[in-house]
Amino acid sequence: NAGVMQNPRHLVRRRGQEARLRCSPMKGHSHVYWYRQLPEEGLKFMVYLQKENIIDESGMPKERFSAEFPKEGPSILRIQQVVRGDSAAYFCASSQTGGPQPQHFGDGTRLSIL
Amino acid sequence: DAKTTQPNSMESNEEEPVHLPCNHSTISGTDYIHWYRQLPSQGPEYVIHGLTSNVNNRMASLAIAEDRKSSTLILHRATLRDAAVYYCILRERNNDMRFGAGTRLTVKP
Repeated sequence: NAGVMQNPRHLVRRRGQEARLRCSPMKGHSHVYWYRQLPEEGLKFMVYLQKENIIDESGMPKERFSAEFPKEGPSILRIQQVVRGDSAAYFCASSQTGGPQPQHFGDGTRLSIL
Repeated sequence: DAKTTQPNSMESNEEEPVHLPCNHSTISGTDYIHWYRQLPSQGPEYVIHGLTSNVNNRMASLAIAEDRKSSTLILHRATLRDAAVYYCILRERNNDMRFGAGTRLTVKP
């Protein structure tokens, strides 16, 4: 039973490039959440998606960031025109249902901006 | 927004019990108390959650104060593998989890 899979594990981009982070939820899970973690800090919620719908994007920066969870395939977090401040670990989590159910996390993508 | 307060760090000896405290004095009646832990270079791992009653699972126990303004995560026998940052989180809305700085647990052999 595969867990939440994120790729790539490490991603290096130059300022101004685009970064695409992928997340495949656990089998049978249709709810996906993205979090960002800066060094030595806790995780910050970004966005919550349920197949083809964005449910809550209150933690997502208004510009340059977008997320999708298509009917087929992984969820994608896209960061356009990256800046140094985007350097962080990005974690994806999934759950079978919404509500106060446990979320299962992947091991994250570490994004470094040169 | 209801917040949690945890000690920055704690130490324990291997094979001894560990009690990790969490204060949440502004908790609302519908907030669930969740605990996650994060090992270095890994994503958070669910530990346990509860609403009002104490909870036990194979990993830990959760003791919730009668007024729900505090809770304690109990690891019955700490191992070196339990060294991690432990996060106490209130589920304020159905799906949004707010992680604080957590408690860094060090386990000494």
